[in-house]
Amino acid sequence: GDSVTQMEGPVTLSEEAFLTINCTYTATGYPSLFWYVQYPGEGLQLLLKATKADDKGSNKGFEATYRKETTSFHLEKGSVQVSDSAVYFCALSRASGTYKYIFGTGTRLKVLA
Amino acid sequence: EADIYQTPRYLVIGTGKKITLECSQTMGHDKMYWYQQDPGMELHLIHYSYGVNSTEKGDLSSESTVSRIRTEHFPLTLESARPSHTSQYLCASSPGLIYEQYFGPGTRLTVT
Repeated sequence: GDSVTQMEGPVTLSEEAFLTINCTYTATGYPSLFWYVQYPGEGLQLLLKATKADDKGSNKGFEATYRKETTSFHLEKGSVQVSDSAVYFCALSRASGTYKYIFGTGTRLKVLA
Repeated sequence: EADIYQTPRYLVIGTGKKITLECSQTMGHDKMYWYQQDPGMELHLIHYSYGVNSTEKGDLSSESTVSRIRTEHFPLTLESARPSHTSQYLCASSPGLIYEQYFGPGTRLTVT
């Protein structure tokens, strides 16, 4: 069945370090892919998305490229800030066949000053 | 700017009480969802609605019930709260099945 697997956390980085959070998926058809971010005490908010293969989503310095050949959608940022400390969720949706919207288990990021 | 609201933000209540968690959105979205988020952060879909008078149970079995008599309003009710219901409850809406979901700030429920 469909699934989303993301790297376990917590991930602890120093400010200005390079960030990668891995996300791989299993799905039939052509899903849309998303990254959401959840700051402490808040709900999730969309960070970026990609709807077809080779699309690159970007926002606030974060990027992720939809790689169909490796079924991956890894999140990257060149220089993290303390304010990026949050939980990051990878997700997919597809409407072919039975509708599915699946979230990964979340990766906690802590950035130290 | 997404406009989806949840009240209350925090609730501490005794065992056996009936509670309703409110969720409203002003975006005119047909699709609405309730998630339970455990301390390990994972999200579990407990209810969803594709429109007025349409409600379905999600992947995680829940003793709660929901109603959808207006597009903008999707309340969740627990008839008799128990300590096992202690959790964070997140409401979300979406303009379509494959689009991004917009989340409210959540209700943190503690049942003593």
